[in-house]
Amino acid sequence: NAGVTQTPKFQVLKTGQSMTLQCAQDMNHEYMSWYRQDPGMGLRLIHYSVGAGITDQGEVPNGYNVSRSTTEDFPLRLLSAAPSQTSVYFCASSQGLRPAGGPYEQYFGPGTRLTVT
Amino acid sequence: TQLLEQSPQFLSIQEGENLTVYCNSSSVFSSLQWYRQEPGEGPVLLVTVVTGGEVKKLKRLTFQFGDARKDSSLHITAAQPGDTGLYLCAGNGIKAAGNKLTFGGGTRVLVKP
Repeated sequence: NAGVTQTPKFQVLKTGQSMTLQCAQDMNHEYMSWYRQDPGMGLRLIHYSVGAGITDQGEVPNGYNVSRSTTEDFPLRLLSAAPSQTSVYFCASSQGLRPAGGPYEQYFGPGTRLTVT
Repeated sequence: TQLLEQSPQFLSIQEGENLTVYCNSSSVFSSLQWYRQEPGEGPVLLVTVVTGGEVKKLKRLTFQFGDARKDSSLHITAAQPGDTGLYLCAGNGIKAAGNKLTFGGGTRVLVKP
């Protein structure tokens, strides 16, 4: 299993450009999430999905769109990049909630480092 | 919005010393997870605690979930250089989806040989 893969690893955009960060998992996980990580701020949830065709907003959704047409893929789109979106982006997948309580482990991809100039 | 505050933000100790990292909130969480992240990589799960007062041990690491499920701590005994990394706590709110986690700001731990 490749686990969670993300492409690209690095990206530089100019303000106003759009792009899609790709995320794929081969573990047949229903749950997938996108986070951004800024220095000193931990990870903040952007959007998440609990299954194909179902997405919802996290803590910081503005400026980002997602869709989930298949179980495997969960792309993140930046519509019009801004310098405030300079960050490291992580995609994660998991099985959801354990019957005994608490979430299953989230498996994270290696991240995409995005710089917007 | 549920917030998780971690303290300290940075900890530098010598090999063999003990350390404790704290994760606090004013909100109740149904569960808390601890992750460790190394440079250039994604976080990796260490433990999940779900019951108030629960204590879990993972070799030299001891995790505790507060009785009121608002706080947690991570204690490392006899730290080793391999324990160096960013430690993150993450809370799952009551009735929240399993992947709707709130992360703390992280504690960066440096263990010097």
